[in-house]
Amino acid sequence: GQQLNQSPQSMFIQEGEDVSMNCTSSSIFNTWLWYKQDPGEGPVLLIALYKAGELTSNGRLTAQFGITRKDSFLNISASIPSDVGIYFCAINAGGTSYGKLTFGQGTILTVHP
Amino acid sequence: SQTIHQWPATLVQPVGSPLSLECTVEGTSNPNLYWYRQAAGRGLQLLFYSVGIGQISSEVPQNLSASRPQDRQFILSSKKLLLSDSGFYLCATNSGAGNTIYFGEGSWLTVV
Repeated sequence: GQQLNQSPQSMFIQEGEDVSMNCTSSSIFNTWLWYKQDPGEGPVLLIALYKAGELTSNGRLTAQFGITRKDSFLNISASIPSDVGIYFCAINAGGTSYGKLTFGQGTILTVHP
Repeated sequence: SQTIHQWPATLVQPVGSPLSLECTVEGTSNPNLYWYRQAAGRGLQLLFYSVGIGQISSEVPQNLSASRPQDRQFILSSKKLLLSDSGFYLCATNSGAGNTIYFGEGSWLTVV
């Protein structure tokens, strides 16, 4: 199946700093998704990208769908302590079942006050 | 918007015992339903998906099974649990015209 390479695996930053993480794949996809997971909870969708080159913001979060359709990045500006969690990229296997997601390995974000 | 309920939230079971995790969805009809597993807090893996009552597709060989007895009910089961079945199990759905996937709160399973 498809594999996504997500980096970095973990980040330790100071409150107020900006964060950037990315995902790459060897195949082309039509949808890139970014999720955040808090400890002990299910992932929550942050941003969904549907077009190559698309740049989408959600508050302090910005994500882009790469032109080649093989990569995506997520930026968090002016981080705050509640940004702590695991961030996952995911792609949609498509076809008749859009929920067949393949996830990256995740980026663990720690924000020091 | 749809709501996903999972229970139990936490479960500790001995090796060899049976398992039943339940997921129900509200606020939608004829949803696609999915079971994912997450081990060690990293990486979610799709286990099963269902596009309708009685229709189950398995994504990976495993010790678990799934059933969909009703339109908005999805059950994950095992006859005999293994230690390797421990993990965080998440039910998910996408419905309507969009391909946005929503996850439930998850069920923690520890096999001892």
